[in-house]
Amino acid sequence: AQSVTQLGSHVSVSEGALVLLRCNYSSSVPPYLFWYVQYPNQGLQLLLKYTSAATLVKGINGFEAEFKKSETSFHLTKPSAHMSDAAEYFCAVSERNKLSFGAGTTVTVRA
Amino acid sequence: NAGVTQTPKFQVLKTGQSMTLQCAQDMNHNSMYWYRQDPGMGLRLIYYSASEGTTDKGEVPNGYNVSRLNKREFSLRLESAAPSQTSVYFCASSGSRTSGASSTDTQYFGPGTRLTVL
Repeated sequence: AQSVTQLGSHVSVSEGALVLLRCNYSSSVPPYLFWYVQYPNQGLQLLLKYTSAATLVKGINGFEAEFKKSETSFHLTKPSAHMSDAAEYFCAVSERNKLSFGAGTTVTVRA
Repeated sequence: NAGVTQTPKFQVLKTGQSMTLQCAQDMNHNSMYWYRQDPGMGLRLIYYSASEGTTDKGEVPNGYNVSRLNKREFSLRLESAAPSQTSVYFCASSGSRTSGASSTDTQYFGPGTRLTVL
């Protein structure tokens, strides 16, 4: 079965600083990978997804992620954090149309 | 479009009580899902329905039952609630292609139901 591991349950960044959230996957076949964001007391919203078309994937709100097969990683980045980026972020892998989620990373942004 | 809607938003039950969580989507999606979210564990799949008339177990199905009432609606039932079922429950839906579901389909989530079992 495919799975993902998110390194770091909490990340704190200053406003304007780089946001880097780490996700590693385990899969015996090329994976389909997703990043979702959850704002407080809301459901999950898709940020971006990798479907093998391009290794660098751009998403909403200035986020992007790079698929690296050699490192089995799909890290999420944003060059400059904004206060509105404070949320919980989930990496997920899709297998037979079902998602398996990582444990999540909570991002706080310091003014 | 309302997207995915869930009722109720909040619920408190006593151990042994039963209840049904309702979910509906208006995106003509074929597949629907129920997840539970617990701190530090991400979201875990309880049950899913690949199409109208079919349901299958996910990772944590024990203590739950589901009904795919029609293409729009997918309900989750707790027959005898236990404190271990205290959680936030999310419904999701995906895939509107007539050719069938794909692992690249985006899942769209409802706002969640916060359930407490005393």
